Amino acid sequence: DAKTTQPNSMESNEEEPVHLPCNHSTISGTDYIHWYRQLPSQGPEYVIHGLTSNVNNRMASLAIAEDRKSSTLILHRATLRDAAVYYCILRDTNDYKLSFGAGTTVTVRA
Amino acid sequence: DAGVTQSPTHLIKTRGQQVTLRCSPISGHKSVSWYQQVLGQGPQFIFQYYEKEERGRGNFPDRFSARQFPNYSSELNVNALLLGDSALYLCASSRFIGTEAFFGQGTRLTVV
Repeated sequence: DAKTTQPNSMESNEEEPVHLPCNHSTISGTDYIHWYRQLPSQGPEYVIHGLTSNVNNRMASLAIAEDRKSSTLILHRATLRDAAVYYCILRDTNDYKLSFGAGTTVTVRA
Repeated sequence: DAGVTQSPTHLIKTRGQQVTLRCSPISGHKSVSWYQQVLGQGPQFIFQYYEKEERGRGNFPDRFSARQFPNYSSELNVNALLLGDSALYLCASSRFIGTEAFFGQGTRLTVV
C-alpha cells in the first residue's frame, strides 16, 4: 500500500484557515488522494478527494502539488465543529479498502 | 435518508465468548466494509463484501468472519474473544467498490 505522512497534530483559531499537509512521495498514477475526518465518538466521514487538479466542495479545498507527491487540505474558516482527526489516504480506483494511518489531530481554539 | 446503522452500540463480552455485530447499509449501497479501531489508532480494514461476495480481507485471524445478506445488510462475527479484540468496530457502506464510503457510528466492544 502506498503510504502517506501527516503531522501528528495542528492547532488553529476559530474562523481562521487551516492548512493540513500530506506527503505521499510513492504515489502511483492511478492513486486518488482521499481525505476523511473523524469527529470525537463518531465514525469517519468523507471530506474530499482528487487525482491531479485542485478540488473544492462545501467542506474544504484540496490542493495537489504538480508532481502529486504532496497535497494540502484547506479548511477555509475553522469552526469548533472541525476539531477532529483528519486522515489523508491514497486509494486506487479499484481498491476495496481505505488504509488509514494515524492522521492529524486538529484542535480549534475559540 | 437513514445513514449506516450499526447494532448494538455497546456491548461487553467475556474472553472466549463469541459476538455478532450487525450493519445496515445506506439504501442502494451494495458494498459493506468492516474496520476495527483500537483506541488511539486509525481504523484497520477487516473485510469488504460486494453483492454478497467477499471481495477483500485484511490481516485478521480466522476467528473473524463476516457475511452479507440479500438485502445487503451484513454481520461480523468474532469467535473466541481475546482481550485485544476490545475496540470500536466500524461498518462502512458505499454504492460500489472504490466509491465514497459512509461510516456508521460503530459498535464499542469491550472484552473482559
